Amino acid sequence: EVQLVESGGGLVQPGGSLRLSCEVSGFTVTSNYLSWVRQAPGKRPEWVSVIYSGGNRYYADSVKGRFTISRDAAKNTLYLQMNSLRVDDTAIYYCAYCPRSKVLVKVFDVWGQGTMVTVSS
Amino acid sequence: DIQMTQSPSSLSASVGDRVTISCRTSQSISSNLNWFQFKPGRAPKLLIYSASALQTGVPSRFRGSGSGTDFTLTITSLQPEDFATYYCQQSYSDPPYTFGQGTRVEI
Repeated sequence: EVQLVESGGGLVQPGGSLRLSCEVSGFTVTSNYLSWVRQAPGKRPEWVSVIYSGGNRYYADSVKGRFTISRDAAKNTLYLQMNSLRVDDTAIYYCAYCPRSKVLVKVFDVWGQGTMVTVSS
Repeated sequence: DIQMTQSPSSLSASVGDRVTISCRTSQSISSNLNWFQFKPGRAPKLLIYSASALQTGVPSRFRGSGSGTDFTLTITSLQPEDFATYYCQQSYSDPPYTFGQGTRVEI
């Protein structure tokens, strides 16, 4: 069974850094597409970043240059390094998984429960 | 970026009602449209992908249709567990994979 568990959220001051983790089971992080999606309070979800099985990475313009997506095969974990955090980065952050069967349509069909990030002074 | 417009933003319905939610995109996305259910404190749930394919394990009362720029999610007989917020999302071509603004289904 595919499972994703996020951790690492918390309260951080503007300009600070945080690293989110997404521990996965039921598949290997290097064999599938994985994504981070966030949802600010009262807002629509916003796609943040994706890492493809081949290693290509893409970022939303709002986080480009500040956030870095990565993965650790040995720990079977996905990460999101967040630097230069801003108040408008406050959101629940979800990791999401795209199985090989849905790679051509890029559908992320299993999500974690999310971890809350609050950026405030 | 592809813009997504959902309607209505909220609706009130009763158990057993037929509910229809619309999603329109700013350019044609073929059938690369997905529907998600969000509930507070829960992992988001994929309901429909590729406009009309029912995700495994999702009840058949959820139906998706459309192609190009106009899409619809229909719940044929609303159940108590269906009260939630629904979002459409496009996965056409390259990122970003944008979401609609959501439809909150209330009692």
